[in-house]
Amino acid sequence: DAGVIQSPRHEVTEMGQEVTLRCKPISGHDYLFWYRQTMMRGLELLIYFNNNVPIDDSGMPEDRFSAKMPNASFSTLKIQPSEPRDSAVYFCASSLNMGGRGETQYFGPGTRLLVL
Amino acid sequence: AQSVAQPEDQVNVAEGNPLTVKCTYSVSGNPYLFWYVQYPNRGLQFLLKYITGDNLVKGSYGFEAEFNKSQTSFHLKKPSALVSDSALYFCAVRTSNTGFQKLVFGTGTRLLVSP
Repeated sequence: DAGVIQSPRHEVTEMGQEVTLRCKPISGHDYLFWYRQTMMRGLELLIYFNNNVPIDDSGMPEDRFSAKMPNASFSTLKIQPSEPRDSAVYFCASSLNMGGRGETQYFGPGTRLLVL
Repeated sequence: AQSVAQPEDQVNVAEGNPLTVKCTYSVSGNPYLFWYVQYPNRGLQFLLKYITGDNLVKGSYGFEAEFNKSQTSFHLKKPSALVSDSALYFCAVRTSNTGFQKLVFGTGTRLLVSP
């Protein structure tokens, strides 16, 4: 398997523009996670899905952020409008459902976002 | 609430010496504990995990970790460090009390192995 795939790897945009980040989880994985990493706040869980359904979005910073998972092999994280403070590395991760017995999350390479 | 503490921002060790990266945790119920490593400009890579059983867990690249319930610790260790081990290391925990998948990560410890 190719692992978790994210695109783009780098994104530079101007404040106010819409940004869409994409993720393809490992085939067969039931859970998908979106994380954000910054120097100031470390690694933060934004939202996660189980079988394409959002389960916990309490980490989404504000209404400018939205995430979707239209099918088992694709998810998007959208920021509209973007702001400089959104600059960060965004990671997608996926895992199998093992009934809550310590599933391992596998991370993608991340998207480095810079909002000017 | 679950929490993880990595008390050292950075650990410095000479190549060939043993290394330890510390992690303590707080959960209600039994913990599931994980170590991940992040190399520059890369995603997090899974190293090892403790679910149940033997307190000494062996993982990738010669790393191991010891679960200590009385001290609520899960320190990462390697008998002989390599320069290529230099990276950012994250400890993470979740409780077995819930079916949810939410992991709580520590702030990370940067390991620097000098030649």
